[in-house]
Amino acid sequence: GNSVTQMEGPVTLSEEAFLTINCTYTATGYPSLFWYVQYPGEGLQLLLKATKADDKGSNKGFEATYRKETTSFHLEKGSVQVSDSAVYFCALIIYQGAQKLVFGQGTRLTINP
Amino acid sequence: GAGVSQSPSNKVTEKGKDVELRCDPISGHTALYWYRQSLGQGLEFLIYFQGNSAPDKSGLPSDRFSAERTGGSVSTLTIQRTQQEDSAVYLCASSSGSGGRLAQYFGPGTRLLVL
Repeated sequence: GNSVTQMEGPVTLSEEAFLTINCTYTATGYPSLFWYVQYPGEGLQLLLKATKADDKGSNKGFEATYRKETTSFHLEKGSVQVSDSAVYFCALIIYQGAQKLVFGQGTRLTINP
Repeated sequence: GAGVSQSPSNKVTEKGKDVELRCDPISGHTALYWYRQSLGQGLEFLIYFQGNSAPDKSGLPSDRFSAERTGGSVSTLTIQRTQQEDSAVYLCASSSGSGGRLAQYFGPGTRLLVL
């Protein structure tokens, strides 16, 4: 089946620290990969995506590279800010299959000033 | 432009009552999805509409759940005879087509509490 596994949270960092949130997947087809973010009290927002192997998605200083050989899509940011505190969800969708997002369990990130 | 909107934002109901949740997708988006976010189960797919095709209902947890989409736009998710385990945030999303490469854009959700 299709599934997404994320790094266990919560994650707490100091401002300006380097961030990595690990995400690995299993898929029966060729997935597109996404990171969504949920800020406190808000809905899910698309952060970035990648639709084929070796693609790099980027937005707001965050990056993630689609690694087919390791079935991974790790989220990185070089210098986090307090405003990055949120819950981050890795997700996949299979192009040929049911058009549904399969989400990881989410990783809560807290950035301290 | 306007994003996905949902109403009500919060709903408190008594066990056994029926509830209706509404979703207005982004204008021009042909695909519409319902998901549920709960503490125990995370984010789960419920149902998917694409144009005039038959909906994919494979994620609906029981026959108490149903959804319709009128005129290819607004959708209503109905939960009959609500149970406490139905308490969750119900999220609607839309996308501009059915391709897996297309991002889904989410509404703010309806927080349902069943007492």
